[in-house]
Amino acid sequence: EAGVTQFPSHSVIEKGQTVTLRCDPISGHDNLYWYRRVMGKEIKFLLHFVKESKQDESGMPNNRFLAERTGGTYSTLKVQPAELEDSGVYFCASSPGQGTDTQYFGPGTRLTVL
Amino acid sequence: AQSVTQPDIHITVSEGASLELRCNYSYGATPYLFWYVQSPGQGLQLLLKYFSGDTLVQGIKGFEAEFKRSQSSFNLRKPSVHWSDAAEYFCAVSPHSGGYNKLIFGAGTRLAVHP
Repeated sequence: EAGVTQFPSHSVIEKGQTVTLRCDPISGHDNLYWYRRVMGKEIKFLLHFVKESKQDESGMPNNRFLAERTGGTYSTLKVQPAELEDSGVYFCASSPGQGTDTQYFGPGTRLTVL
Repeated sequence: AQSVTQPDIHITVSEGASLELRCNYSYGATPYLFWYVQSPGQGLQLLLKYFSGDTLVQGIKGFEAEFKRSQSSFNLRKPSVHWSDAAEYFCAVSPHSGGYNKLIFGAGTRLAVHP
């Protein structure tokens, strides 16, 4: 069974540009989470999808971030325009159901904004 | 607000030595608690979790953790460390409100293992 995959693994962009990160969850997993780790800090929750619906987006930093989950399958996280403080590692995780299900994490996308 | 503290940013141990990684949490209700590990180039892998019941939890790779409510702690232990255990370890809490499992992480502890 394939794990959670994320693309790209690394992205380097200029301030003001747009970047789109993609996450493919484990097949059949209804829950999809985005997290972010800024350099030296803790991993922080961004948002949570249940199928194609946003269940909780309380961690999204501002309206420059837009997350979508088309048809309840893969998800994209777009940053437009990117700022220096957006640099960090963006993790995606998925889980099959509710409550106590284990979250399976992808390897992350390292975003550097210059 | 819920928070997780991992007091040790870096720890170095010799191979074969015992290990304890500390984790303290701040949460009003009974928490769900987790330890994850991230090896270089890999995603986070779940080592173990505590929801209820026996406060000593066994995980993968020979790790265990003990939940101590009186100390708000969930320390991770391993009796004999292997060189392959070198990685970054994250403690996490889940508020598990509404049946969903948003994770709140500590800042991580990076473990180095000397041969």
